[in-house]
Amino acid sequence: QQQVKQSPQSLIVQKGGISIINCAYENTAFDYFPWYQQFPGKGPALLIAIRPDVSEKKEGRFTISFNKSAKQFSLHIMDSQPGDSATYFCAARETGSARQLTFGSGTQLTVLP
Amino acid sequence: DADVTQTPRNRITKTGKRIMLECSQTKGHDRMYWYRQDPGLGLRLIYYSFDVKDINKGEISDGYSVSRQAQAKFSLSLESAIPNQTALYFCATSDRDPKLYNEQFFGPGTRLTVL
Repeated sequence: QQQVKQSPQSLIVQKGGISIINCAYENTAFDYFPWYQQFPGKGPALLIAIRPDVSEKKEGRFTISFNKSAKQFSLHIMDSQPGDSATYFCAARETGSARQLTFGSGTQLTVLP
Repeated sequence: DADVTQTPRNRITKTGKRIMLECSQTKGHDRMYWYRQDPGLGLRLIYYSFDVKDINKGEISDGYSVSRQAQAKFSLSLESAIPNQTALYFCATSDRDPKLYNEQFFGPGTRLTVL
């Protein structure tokens, strides 16, 4: 049973386009929602993160949109570039002492030149 | 030099063999984690350790064991490898400071194939 559902599994976007990756969750105890970026042959690295007290967070071309009532959050990549081609994972963490991350299934993004 | 290193980077072994994957970090972090990555399943937590004397099972610990030899070293063992343990394995670390422990730092991964 996957606590964080991510879609799509793969995404192809033209250079300059907008890439959108969506995640949904059920556990209302989640209080931290990061996105990780993974290039081939590398480990994932934190890209951007949001807490449920805000609806949007922007860092450069990357934006997280958060809808608490719908229990959904999404990553938007504006002006997508070939260098953005990577696998993206959403994740969530539950309030509590263990504070472990639960990851989505990943989205493989390809940005065509 | 990489902050989180994993050895070996690639390993092919046979069913029933004992395998150890090693992780070392120079970040000075107390918290360390082992994940496996499978296509379509994302990253799943195997074990985690908040300090040398603290070891905890994750979501999928069956068939695995770990050892925290020092603050900087965390090893994952497969006592008797089976083909469905073929996967990409990642070690990660995080700080214990509540202002910093949100971010996990991952190693480059070990690709394990069990024949």
